[in-house]
Amino acid sequence: QKEVEQNSGPLSVPEGAIASLNCTYSDRGSQSFFWYRQYSGKSPELIMSIYSNGDKEDGRFTAQLNKASQYVSLLIRDSQPSDSATYLCAVKAGSGGYQKVTFGTGTKLQVIP
Amino acid sequence: DARVTQTPRHKVTEMGQEVTMRCQPILGHNTVFWYRQTMMQGLELLAYFRNRAPLDDSGMPKDRFSAEMPDATLATLKIQPSEPRDSAVYFCASGLVRSGYTFGSGTRLTVV
Repeated sequence: QKEVEQNSGPLSVPEGAIASLNCTYSDRGSQSFFWYRQYSGKSPELIMSIYSNGDKEDGRFTAQLNKASQYVSLLIRDSQPSDSATYLCAVKAGSGGYQKVTFGTGTKLQVIP
Repeated sequence: DARVTQTPRHKVTEMGQEVTMRCQPILGHNTVFWYRQTMMQGLELLAYFRNRAPLDDSGMPKDRFSAEMPDATLATLKIQPSEPRDSAVYFCASGLVRSGYTFGSGTRLTVV
């Protein structure tokens, strides 16, 4: 089982719709969770971080975390063509001075005008 | 905006040659990572430094890869000798213990 799993997609949604991206992780000790956006040929860009159960909203983005189910998701409201990118889920686990971040392989999102 | 600077942006080299990639982390960030990205494997962690000390390099092929932080403003990743299977985009990222990380623009390496 991979440490961080994402559906590779592509996930296609019409412009203006809600895009829902999902991620599961295997390490129950994971403490911090991140969503990165990566445009083709570019580097990953941090867009959301979440540390406790529940929802966290930032503009059109909402991150949701359920530690009991080992599940984290990203909702993008009013999707725009400029949101078309690969979205990477990242999970940080560890203790003391050592914390390791593991990335999923990413979900490709296509927003259709 | 503070950013992570990587050089070179692109590198084409022949098999067997030495390749050195450099990274200048964001000032004040005490954690530095090297990642490799390929279509097949996604982002793979190669090395991880905290306060310039190597904490994890288990993702690196030890016989050919080495990573160092000679000072707080410079991290290096070296491949010697390079092989075609090393062709990938190599990213450096920096951050703080509890935060997410900022990635550099990457070095696109092609070994022919």
